[in-house]
Amino acid sequence: GDSVTQTEGQVALSEEDFLTIHCNYSASGYPALFWYVQYPGEGPQFLFRASRDKEKGSSRGFEATYDKGTTSFHLRKASVQESDSAVYYCALGPDTNAYKVIFGKGTHLHVLP
Amino acid sequence: GGIITQTPKFLIGQEGQKLTLKCQQNFNHDTMYWYRQDSGKGLRLIYYSITENDLQKGDLSEGYDASREKKSSFSLTVTSAQKNEMAVFLCASSFRGRRERLFFGHGTKLSVL
Repeated sequence: GDSVTQTEGQVALSEEDFLTIHCNYSASGYPALFWYVQYPGEGPQFLFRASRDKEKGSSRGFEATYDKGTTSFHLRKASVQESDSAVYYCALGPDTNAYKVIFGKGTHLHVLP
Repeated sequence: GGIITQTPKFLIGQEGQKLTLKCQQNFNHDTMYWYRQDSGKGLRLIYYSITENDLQKGDLSEGYDASREKKSSFSLTVTSAQKNEMAVFLCASSFRGRRERLFFGHGTKLSVL
């Protein structure tokens, strides 16, 4: 079935480091791809989305590019801040099901001052 | 803007007990979701509802029932709580499904003694 794989369970960086969180998906057609961020004690919040090949989504300095060839949607940020510490989820809305949204296992980002 | 309200915030139950979690949204969204969040396992879809009176099973529906009484509310019942079970249940809604962003509540934290 359709799935999302985030390879890093935890990432620890220092402020101003470059961030990459890997996300790969398995789905037919053109799923919609999302990144969400969750801060402690809150529900996940939408960060951005992309719906077609080579489309770039971005928000708050984070960005990711939809790559159908490598089935990836990796999250990147040039310079992280301590306030970026949170759990990041990659998600997909499958082309074959109009309403189902599937999440990855999440990546916990710790940014040290 | 709108809000998703989940009640209760914390729920403590006994093994074998039937427990009900409630969710209300005032976005006037059509689609609502219940996800279970476990450490290291991400968000797993339990049930979703495309519109009032509709119910669709997710990947983790066994052991749960759901009810969409009206457009603004979506309830989840744990049919028989498992001993030592601990998880966060997240309710979400979206305007029209897979290509739209989800809005999440803050969650109900369940502990079973």
